[in-house]
Amino acid sequence: NAGVTQTPKFRVLKTGQSMTLLCAQDMNHEYMYWYRQDPGMGLRLIHYSVGEGTTAKGEVPDGYNVSRLKKQNFLLGLESAAPSQTSVYFCASSRGTSGQSYNEQFFGPGTRLTVL
Amino acid sequence: TQLLEQSPQFLSIQEGENLTVYCNSSSVFSSLQWYRQEPGEGPVLLVTVVTGGEVKKLKRLTFQFGDARKDSSLHITAAQPGDTGLYLCAGAMSGGSNYKLTFGKGTLLTVNP
Repeated sequence: NAGVTQTPKFRVLKTGQSMTLLCAQDMNHEYMYWYRQDPGMGLRLIHYSVGEGTTAKGEVPDGYNVSRLKKQNFLLGLESAAPSQTSVYFCASSRGTSGQSYNEQFFGPGTRLTVL
Repeated sequence: TQLLEQSPQFLSIQEGENLTVYCNSSSVFSSLQWYRQEPGEGPVLLVTVVTGGEVKKLKRLTFQFGDARKDSSLHITAAQPGDTGLYLCAGAMSGGSNYKLTFGKGTLLTVNP
């Protein structure tokens, strides 16, 4: 099993450009998450999904959109990139809190995005 | 508002030393998790603690959940260079919002040979 994969690994954008980050998981997890990680700020939740076709805003959703058309995929879009969106983006998935699960999250390797 | 405070923020020690990292909050959590993140990679789950007062051991790592489920600690015995990394605690709130985790900002540990 590949676990959680993210593409691309690195990307450089110019201000105003758009892009989509792809996250895929092969563990049949219901929940998926997008975080950004910045020095001194820790992991901050951007958007999340508790099931196929559903999405919700997290702590820092402005400037981002998401879609969960298939259970295994969670896409993060930047419509008009800004330098403030320079960060490392992590996708995660979990089974939630059913049974003996306590929402333990499995993370992808990250995407390093620079916006010039 | 930072719900989970981790201390210290940075820790640099010599191989063989012991250390403790703390994760504190004024909120009660239904469960608390510890993750380790190595440079250029995503966080990896180490342990989940659920019951107040619970102690779990993972080789040289000992995790404890506070009696009131508001705090946790991670103790490493005889640290090794391979323990180097960013240690993150994350809590699941009690009640209906337990599909999200609240992360601390992390403790960056460097173990020098």
